[in-house]
Amino acid sequence: QKEVEQDPGPLSVPEGAIVSLNCTYSNSAFQYFMWYRQYSRKGPELLMYTYSSGNKEDGRFTAQVDKSSKYISLFIRDSQPSDSATYLCAINAGGTSYGKLTFGQGTILTVHP
Amino acid sequence: ETGVTQSPTHLIKTRGQQVTLRCSSQSGHNTVSWYQQALGQGPQFIFQYYREEENGRGNFPPRFSGLQFPNYSSELNVNALELDDSALYLCASSSHRVYEQYFGPGTRLTVT
Repeated sequence: QKEVEQDPGPLSVPEGAIVSLNCTYSNSAFQYFMWYRQYSRKGPELLMYTYSSGNKEDGRFTAQVDKSSKYISLFIRDSQPSDSATYLCAINAGGTSYGKLTFGQGTILTVHP
Repeated sequence: ETGVTQSPTHLIKTRGQQVTLRCSSQSGHNTVSWYQQALGQGPQFIFQYYREEENGRGNFPPRFSGLQFPNYSSELNVNALELDDSALYLCASSSHRVYEQYFGPGTRLTVT
């Protein structure tokens, strides 16, 4: 079983739709939860990170963590064609795990005008 | 503020050769991590450098090695290249919040 599972999609939605991207993880020691956006042939761009269970909002993006279920989500409101990219969840165990990020496979998102 | 930069952008090598990739960290960041991203996959952690020393390593063989310099820039060296080493190599820098990592554009390595 992979430490982090992410549905690769692809996911295709019309402009203006609400997008839900999800990951599950197996290690309860994970403490920090990140979402990255990666455009084709570019490096990942950090969108948001959160530490605790609950919601964190930044503009059109909301990150949600449920530690009891080992489930994290990213919601994108009013999606735009410029949101078309691969979205990667990444998780860190903190403490002595230094800075190792464990990534999901990535979900390919296309937003149609 | 200068972001993370990597060089070269693209590289083509032959199996068995050696390669060196370079990374300059973001201003104010003292920790550098390297990742390998195969096509269609998420990045895989290779190792991390802090204060010029390796501070953690993923499941990669010893032919993957690195250096960090006093200005926090870093190199990734890969010896005895194999076809499976073809991938996008990403460098990320961070400050004391080591989980908050900012990535460079990557170096695409092709091994033929």
